[in-house]
Amino acid sequence: ILNVEQSPQSLHVQEGDSTNFTCSFPSSNFYALHWYRWETAKSPEALFVMTLNGDEKKKGRISATLNTKEGYSYLYIKGSQPEDSATYLCAFLSNDYKLSFGAGTTVTVRA
Amino acid sequence: NAGVTQTPKFRILKIGQSMTLQCTQDMNHNYMYWYRQDPGMGLKLIYYSVGAGITDKGEVPNGYNVSRSTTEDFPLRLELAAPSQTSVYFCASSYGSGGLETQYFGPGTRLLVL
Repeated sequence: ILNVEQSPQSLHVQEGDSTNFTCSFPSSNFYALHWYRWETAKSPEALFVMTLNGDEKKKGRISATLNTKEGYSYLYIKGSQPEDSATYLCAFLSNDYKLSFGAGTTVTVRA
Repeated sequence: NAGVTQTPKFRILKIGQSMTLQCTQDMNHNYMYWYRQDPGMGLKLIYYSVGAGITDKGEVPNGYNVSRSTTEDFPLRLELAAPSQTSVYFCASSYGSGGLETQYFGPGTRLLVL
């Protein structure tokens, strides 16, 4: 079982503010990191797959960075909107193809 | 495409009963997965399949069985339901074998064992 931790567990953001949160994973045996967005009553949807140290991905107002040497990834939301309210999951893929999910960070954007 | 579909959406079982959770995908994906999600925990892999006729255990397989007779279907069987199996179950599928591919998730089955 690979230890993947996400912090904080939840956060509240005022509409228009920016925020970020962390996914920590083992720095050894890294193969890839996935980010998923999971809205209430829906299925998780893929945001990014990141493979290289220093990778930066962007999708609209959401972006992510990756540091494989120290074992963390940040997800950023710029100018939060109510529709950004969701749980954001990261999943660490080891180089023996074991995928481990974090418990998620639940973001609530207040209008 | 319907994507990944799961039935039922919700079920209450008595201890010791059995049931099958159905999962079907219409994307011709090779890989299929079953996860359970407990409050405050990440998704835990129960079983996965790399193609028709091939299945393998995940992180938490005890108390479950699977089969994969076709590319489309990947049912999950609970033989003797226990309260510890109260959870939300998600089926997922992906195309490739390298783990870099996006997994597509079904809407989930909420199971309550009393």
